[in-house]
Amino acid sequence: DVKVTQSSRYLVKRTGEKVFLECVQDMDHENMFWYRQDPGLGLRLIYFSYDVKMKEKGDIPEGYSVSREKKERFSLILESASTNQTSMYLCASSLRTVANVLTFGAGSRLTVL
Amino acid sequence: KQEVTQIPAALSVPEGENLVLNCSFTDSAIYNLQWFRQDPGKGLTSLLLIQSSQREQTSGRLNASLDKSSGRSTLYIAASQPGDSATYLCAVYSGGGADGLTFGKGTHLIIQP
Repeated sequence: DVKVTQSSRYLVKRTGEKVFLECVQDMDHENMFWYRQDPGLGLRLIYFSYDVKMKEKGDIPEGYSVSREKKERFSLILESASTNQTSMYLCASSLRTVANVLTFGAGSRLTVL
Repeated sequence: KQEVTQIPAALSVPEGENLVLNCSFTDSAIYNLQWFRQDPGKGLTSLLLIQSSQREQTSGRLNASLDKSSGRSTLYIAASQPGDSATYLCAVYSGGGADGLTFGKGTHLIIQP
């Protein structure tokens, strides 16, 4: 089975801190995604990567950046965390095309105080 | 822009009942539709993926149907069990990159023992 591992399940950070959320997949998937999920708003795409060093902005990229230096790892970076970035962050991957089955990680619950 | 709606937002039924969850979308030009399950505080787990050329897919007690022309999909759960309690989300892929993937906000299902 494909595994998508998010390194931190729960994080508490202070406003202004730099935050790294790490995601690793073990099945050589080309595509990796970062979403955030908020009550009443559903899943919103932050960034997407279809290959190493390639990235595309999603619907809500402001305040975030990403890094994909290796195929298996996709990192989400909050340069200066703010309280409105308190959310559940979900990483996902898919093989070859976006049209294939998405495999999600367990999620990272971030609280910014 | 594609919009995906899931009604009802919440549903509670006694154990053993057969039930249907609904997903509707506004643009019928889709490539596929996925159904996911999400347990509280966890990531999404893919249940079924239906290609646009298919009418239905089955996995165990789950059956998903797709009617592209009317913009609707249903997820049928037979002989429901308390372990089926979760939020069920559908996602429609309309082509392009990751921004072509649109999620519904989900139906929160409770199966009463």
